[in-house]
Amino acid sequence: GAVVSQHPSWVICKSGTSVKIECRSLDFQATTMFWYRQFPKQSLMLMATSNEGSKATYEQGVEKDKFLINHASLTLSTLTVTSAHPEDSSFYICSARRRGAYNEQFFGPGTRLTVL
Amino acid sequence: QKEVEQNSGPLSVPEGAIASLNCTYSDRGSQSFFWYRQYSGKSPELIMSIYSNGDKEDGRFTAQLNKASQYVSLLIRDSQPSDSATYLCAALRDNQGGKLIFGQGTELSVKP
Repeated sequence: GAVVSQHPSWVICKSGTSVKIECRSLDFQATTMFWYRQFPKQSLMLMATSNEGSKATYEQGVEKDKFLINHASLTLSTLTVTSAHPEDSSFYICSARRRGAYNEQFFGPGTRLTVL
Repeated sequence: QKEVEQNSGPLSVPEGAIASLNCTYSDRGSQSFFWYRQYSGKSPELIMSIYSNGDKEDGRFTAQLNKASQYVSLLIRDSQPSDSATYLCAALRDNQGGKLIFGQGTELSVKP
């Protein structure tokens, strides 16, 4: 149990376009989902925390108008990178936490974004 | 000072040896700690969690926590080439919605 999927697993887009990444909890209800970004040879950096039905909380330095997060249901959160630029190229990873399991985060397989 | 610090490595050990990975943290309020393994191009996978002072063993892995010294470690016994990966230490921020704060990771290479 506790499987988290992401779609797509990789995406290549042109500069200026928008890209949507989906994060789904397949066998549990995720009350909280987290979005991370990882650049090559660097660690995971938390971008934002989203709770089902409420606005996401963004970390300092993350542009909320550029990285739109929607957590509309207990099994789905989406991250939309708007007007993507080459510097947004990165590995985006989501994780999900279920109600009552505060210490456990289940990670998705990640989405590799390349902006040309 | 980073909140969670690890030596970036690379740490190289021969097959069959014990690999020792270390991590220090600065927030005394953190109570829960995690070790993740990440292969190149993949997402992190949880290896161990530890919440109390002392040792916790799971197969070839032993996590150690010393809250007084703000120190967490991971020992891998009988290291295998398949253990070659980056190991990430993470601390849970209980007072901030349960965010995980990751160290920069230690790259481990196990030589056959």
